[in-house]
This record gives sequence, structure tokens and C-alpha cells, in this order.
Amino acid sequence: GQQVMQIPQYQHVQEGEDFTTYCNSSTTLSNIQWYKQRPGGHPVFLIQLVKSGEVKKQKRLTFQFGEAKKNSSLHITATQTTDVGTYFCAPKTGTSYDKVIFGPGTSLSVIP
Amino acid sequence: KAGVTQTPRYLIKTRGQQVTLSCSPISGHRSVSWYQQTPGQGLQFLFEYFSETQRNKGNFPGRFSGRQFSNSRSEMNVSTLELGDSALYLCASSPRDSHNEQFFGPGTRLTVL
Repeated sequence: GQQVMQIPQYQHVQEGEDFTTYCNSSTTLSNIQWYKQRPGGHPVFLIQLVKSGEVKKQKRLTFQFGEAKKNSSLHITATQTTDVGTYFCAPKTGTSYDKVIFGPGTSLSVIP
Repeated sequence: KAGVTQTPRYLIKTRGQQVTLSCSPISGHRSVSWYQQTPGQGLQFLFEYFSETQRNKGNFPGRFSGRQFSNSRSEMNVSTLELGDSALYLCASSPRDSHNEQFFGPGTRLTVL
């Protein structure tokens, strides 16, 4: 079955530093979604990437889909305390009837 | 539009009991998915319902079941509770299917003693 890895598992950064999390799949993807979950909260959809090599930006967040459509990254520039939370990727293999799989998540702590 | 609502928000049960959790999706959303979230296992897919039909099921024992009503509201049931069932149960709705953007509810925190 499909294997999904996210690295790192945990990341502690000083406020203002950059942060990157990577999501790697064992199979080629049709698209990938990213979600953020604040401590004590629920996952919130951030973005969906569909095209090979696609790059999308949301203010300080940059999302990239790999050329081979087997990996993705989320980069945060100049982290703020509001960025604290766990970032999950949800890679999709293509058919609506496939089970939805979430990556294990990367937990980000920001030290003020 | 109102968001996804889940009831109850917190629940304490003892081993062997059964529990029913409820989820009301965003109006117009036909897909409802359920997830179990634990610190050690992350977000685990339980099942997805679409137009009252179970479209997919995760790798959970038969003690976990669900259903969806004609108004898209969904319930999940866990019978013969075990300590390991303690978790946050999240419901998510989507306009078409779970492979599109999902909107999560606040979850039900279940504690099994």
C-alpha cells in the first residue's frame, strides 16, 4: 500500500527563522493537500497542489509539488508564533474510491 | 454557512460500553468522513459516507461502524469499548468526496476508563 513520510517529525525554531517540512510518498500522486492543526484544534485545509512542479504561495507560506509528483514541501518564511501547530500532508493517488491517508505530521514549535 | 458540528464534545465511558458520536456536515456537503486521532498513530481514516452509502473503510475492527442519514448527518458507533479507543474522533465534510478539500469539525474527545 501507499507509504507516506513526513520529515522532520518535530521542529523547534526561533521566531523569525525559516521552516520547511517535507512529505514523501512511495507512489505517484494525482494531487496533494496540506492541513494545519493548532494545538487543541482541528485540522484546517491550507492548499491543494495538482500539477507537477507546481508552486503556490500564501503570504509567508510556499508550497511545492515535486516534478515526479511523489513529494511535496511546505516552507514558512520568518516564522511567527501564530505558525505553531502540526502540519499534515494528505497525498491523493487519484481515484475517489481510494482511502484518504494523512501523513504523520510535522509539529512546529516557535520560540519567541 | 455554519461549520461542521460534532456532539458530544467530550465523553467518558468504561470498557465494554458502547458509544455513538454524531456529526452534522456543512449544509450541502454530501461526503462525511471520520478519523481517529491519537498521539501515537496520528490521523487514521475510519470510513467515508456519501449519499447514505459507505464509500470506503479504513483498517479498523468491526466494532467501529457508522451510517449516514438522508440529510447527510452521520453517526459513528463503537461497541465493546477498549482502553485503546481513547482518542479524538474527528468528522470532516466535503461537497463531493473526501479527496477534495475537507472541512473538519472540532472533534469528540473520548476517554475510555
